[in-house]
Amino acid sequence: DTGVSQNPRHKITKRGQNVTFRCDPISEHNRLYWYRQTLGQGPEFLTYFQNEAQLEKSRLLSDRFSAERPKGSFSTLEIQRTEQGDSAMYLCASSLGKGGKNEKLFFGSGTQLSVL
Amino acid sequence: GQNIDQPTEMTATEGAIVQINCTYQTSGFNGLFWYQQHAGEAPTFLSYNVLDGLEEKGRFSSFLSRSKGYSYLLLKELQMKDSASYLCSSENAGNNRKLIWGLGTSLGVNP
Repeated sequence: DTGVSQNPRHKITKRGQNVTFRCDPISEHNRLYWYRQTLGQGPEFLTYFQNEAQLEKSRLLSDRFSAERPKGSFSTLEIQRTEQGDSAMYLCASSLGKGGKNEKLFFGSGTQLSVL
Repeated sequence: GQNIDQPTEMTATEGAIVQINCTYQTSGFNGLFWYQQHAGEAPTFLSYNVLDGLEEKGRFSSFLSRSKGYSYLLLKELQMKDSASYLCSSENAGNNRKLIWGLGTSLGVNP
């Protein structure tokens, strides 16, 4: 298994544009998480899926953010009408989702978004 | 509420021992994780504790006291490559088993 894969690694966009990121989790993992992280901070939870079901979305997340995991495999995170405050590292992680040590997260390398 | 606290920064000398503390307040506690994150990279798993006591894994050990809501990560024989952020994370059984994260402790190792 090649681990969690994210692309693109870097994205530079102009304010107001839409961007979409992709995450391919480890194949047997049921849970998939999206986090946002800025320098010197811990991961900030955005949303997560159990298979194809989106179980929770952060209340801090505006309606400009949406995520899908249509077949319970890969996931996409879309940000509409980007703002400069959206600039951050967007991390995807997956886990077996069976509790305890099986909640151990495997992270992708992240997508670094810069909004100009 | 649910909260995890850990020091923001620590420094230590190569070859020394350092202890990074983490206190947590969570409902339905179901385990505590430590992750290491080097600058510009994703976090990687270090350890998991669910029972009280010390778990040792090479130069790294992690301790948990459930009654005190307290954990620490112990790093021995520090190496320059140990300079990184160390993230404490707690699993909540009653919250869809979602992980709650601390802000991380940035450890600098000096020669």
